Amino acid sequence: DAGITQSPRHKVTETGTPVTLRCHQTENHRYMYWYRQDPGHGLRLIHYSYGVKDTDKGEVSDGYSVSRSKTEDFLLTLESATSSQTSVYFCAISESSGLAAYEQYFGPGTRLTVT
Amino acid sequence: DQQVKQNSPSLSVQEGRISILNCDYTNSMFDYFLWYKKYPAEGPTFLISISSIKDKNEDGRFTVFLNKSAKHLSLHIVPSQPGDSAVYFCAASEADSGGYQKVTFGIGTKLQVIP
Repeated sequence: DAGITQSPRHKVTETGTPVTLRCHQTENHRYMYWYRQDPGHGLRLIHYSYGVKDTDKGEVSDGYSVSRSKTEDFLLTLESATSSQTSVYFCAISESSGLAAYEQYFGPGTRLTVT
Repeated sequence: DQQVKQNSPSLSVQEGRISILNCDYTNSMFDYFLWYKKYPAEGPTFLISISSIKDKNEDGRFTVFLNKSAKHLSLHIVPSQPGDSAVYFCAASEADSGGYQKVTFGIGTKLQVIP
C-alpha cells in the first residue's frame, strides 16, 4: 500500500472556525490532491499540487486553501468552516509522468462534520 | 454537468455470476479511463485502467471494455465474489493546457455480491 496518512481521521467543528487537514506521504510522489466525497456527487477535486509551493484549483475550491511546503505534506485549510463543508475528505498522490501519473493512490479519508 | 456518468446507483449479483458496471462519458478529449474500488471507511483503490487507443483490458477476473463511438465503458467481474462488494467509481482523464492529467470521477455504483 502507498504510504499516505491523513490527520485527523475524524473531526467535529463549529461553523465559523478554521480547520486544517493534513496529508502526509512517504512515497516521494510529485502530485498530491485533495478531494471531497459527498452522496450523489462522487469524488470532486478541491485543489492539487504538482510540486513544493506549486498548487492549483480544482472544481470545488471556493472556501478552501492549500499549502505544500515540503514534498511529503499537503495541507487543506477551511478558513471559516460552513455546514456545506461537512464531508469526507480524501488525499491522493500520483507519480509525475507516464501512465503512472493517471493512477492515484488515496489516503484513508477524514470525516469532517461542521455543526 | 456530469462528464462521467454512472447511471446505476446500485447493483446486486449472485456469487459466481458476472457483474457488469457501466459508465458513460461526454467529453471526447478523455484519453484514459480508470476504475476504482472503495470499501466503507477506506480510501478508493485503483482497480484497472484502459487507454483510449484500446478497446479491452483484462486483469484476472476484471475486464474493462471501451466503446469510443458510444462514449461508453464497462467493467466486467467474472466470477463475482462476496469480497467484490464495494462502491465502484469510474474515472476519466484528460491533459489540460499545462500537461496536468485532470481526472473526473463518476458518482459511483454500489455492488453487492450475494453469497
